[in-house]
Amino acid sequence: AQSVTQLDSHVSVSEGTPVLLRCNYSSSYSPSLFWYVQHPNKGLQLLLKYTSAATLVKGINGFEAEFKKSETSFHLTKPSAHMSDAAEYFCVVSGNTNAGKSTFGDGTTLTVKP
Amino acid sequence: EAQVTQNPRYLITVTGKKLTVTCSQNMNHEYMSWYRQDPGLGLRQIYYSMNVEVTDKGDVPEGYKVSRKEKRNFPLILESPSPNQTSLYFCASRQASGGWTGELFFGEGSRLTVL
Repeated sequence: AQSVTQLDSHVSVSEGTPVLLRCNYSSSYSPSLFWYVQHPNKGLQLLLKYTSAATLVKGINGFEAEFKKSETSFHLTKPSAHMSDAAEYFCVVSGNTNAGKSTFGDGTTLTVKP
Repeated sequence: EAQVTQNPRYLITVTGKKLTVTCSQNMNHEYMSWYRQDPGLGLRQIYYSMNVEVTDKGDVPEGYKVSRKEKRNFPLILESPSPNQTSLYFCASRQASGGWTGELFFGEGSRLTVL
């Protein structure tokens, strides 16, 4: 079985300040972990993914995430928020069995204040 | 351009009137899946298909049907829609390589309202 918990449903930051979106996971197998972003009225777009290579993963638009097995976490960070980062973010875990089922977190809405 | 195309993007219908939401991908992906998105609930899987003529239930399959007669197409059928199926629907696809753990490619979504 696998599950994902996004610890904050809403995060608000000021433009130019750091962003931290938190994600904890549970998986019986060696998981693959993803962060997707959804802008209003759009589909989901991949930000970055972890698939058992380097534990620090860099993605698009300056985002990165660190896989910490001991803490079962995969938090998403960005050093300096931009107005265009305002969106909903989803943490996703996929396993190597069960047809690679993807389990989504409930999402975190990021607001960026000017 | 690699893409997943859903139609219609917006639909208002009435209870009991059968409808089909189409999904087509041009990336030759084996795996396709349907999700519904409701506020505060993330994305929940409705049905998925690992290849042509192979489909299986996801977490919330009640009230939905699917078929996979061709590799590129994976339509979602609501035989008798009800108001609790009002939602935002996403189709997604991915390659079979890497143990089914690759990136999902999403359509832009279909917003369905059932009155």
